[in-house]
Amino acid sequence: IVLTQSPGTLSLSPGERATLSCRASQSITSNYLAWYQQKPGQAPRLLIYGASSRATGIPDTFSGSGSGTDFTLTINRLEPEDFAVYYCQHYGGSPQMHTFGQGTELEIK
Amino acid sequence: QLLESGGNLVQPGGSLRLSCAASGFTFSSYSMSWVRQAPGKGLEWVASIGNRETFFADSVKGRFTISRDNSKNTMYLQMNSLRAEDTAIYYCAKDGVSGNRIWDYFDCWGLGTPVTVSS
Repeated sequence: IVLTQSPGTLSLSPGERATLSCRASQSITSNYLAWYQQKPGQAPRLLIYGASSRATGIPDTFSGSGSGTDFTLTINRLEPEDFAVYYCQHYGGSPQMHTFGQGTELEIK
Repeated sequence: QLLESGGNLVQPGGSLRLSCAASGFTFSSYSMSWVRQAPGKGLEWVASIGNRETFFADSVKGRFTISRDNSKNTMYLQMNSLRAEDTAIYYCAKDGVSGNRIWDYFDCWGLGTPVTVSS
C-alpha cells in the first residue's frame, strides 16, 4: 500500500484551520491509519490512531477522519507549536509491513 | 522510556549493532520496531519483533537482524553489509497495544541514534 500525502507544504497563519490529506493506493481495512507530528530535531509523536482516536494527551484541536482510501487530519485554531511535519502511517499487518506517507510540512505563513 | 545507543560512523560494508533500552512499561508484552529517517527525508520502517517472530523491510532483508532480551528490557538491531543509503537516524518505537501483535501504531519513540555510512 502506498500512502500519498497532500499538500507537500501547507502555509497557514496561527488561528487558522489546517486540513491535511492522506490517500492510500488500496482500501485500508479496519481504519488502521495513524498520524504523527514531528518537530525539527525531535522524534515523531503519535497524534491519532484508528483513523480518528486521539492519543493520550493530544488536545481536541486535533481530529482525524476518513475511511477506505481517503483520510484527513484536521487541526483547528493553529497554535505556534503546531507548525511541524505530519506523517500518516498504515499498520495492521496486511501487507506485513508498516508504511508511512512522505509527510506534509505545515509552515507559518 | 526508550533510549537508543550504538550509532556511529562506519565504512561501507561494515557492521554496527544498535541497542534500545526500555523502561516504564512491561517490555516483554509489547512488540517493538526500528524506524529510520535519512537526512532531510521521511520515515521508513526497518524491522519489527514480537515474541519471537521478526519482520523486515525489503531494503534491509538479509543484511539486518532484530532481536530482544526481555531480561534486560532491551532490543537490538544488528546491521551488516552497510551501504551509504543506510545513513539515517534510527529510532526505536513501541507498539501502542500489548500482546505482541506486531502490526500496531507506535505510541512511544526514542530520541534516535545516528548512523553514518561513509568512507
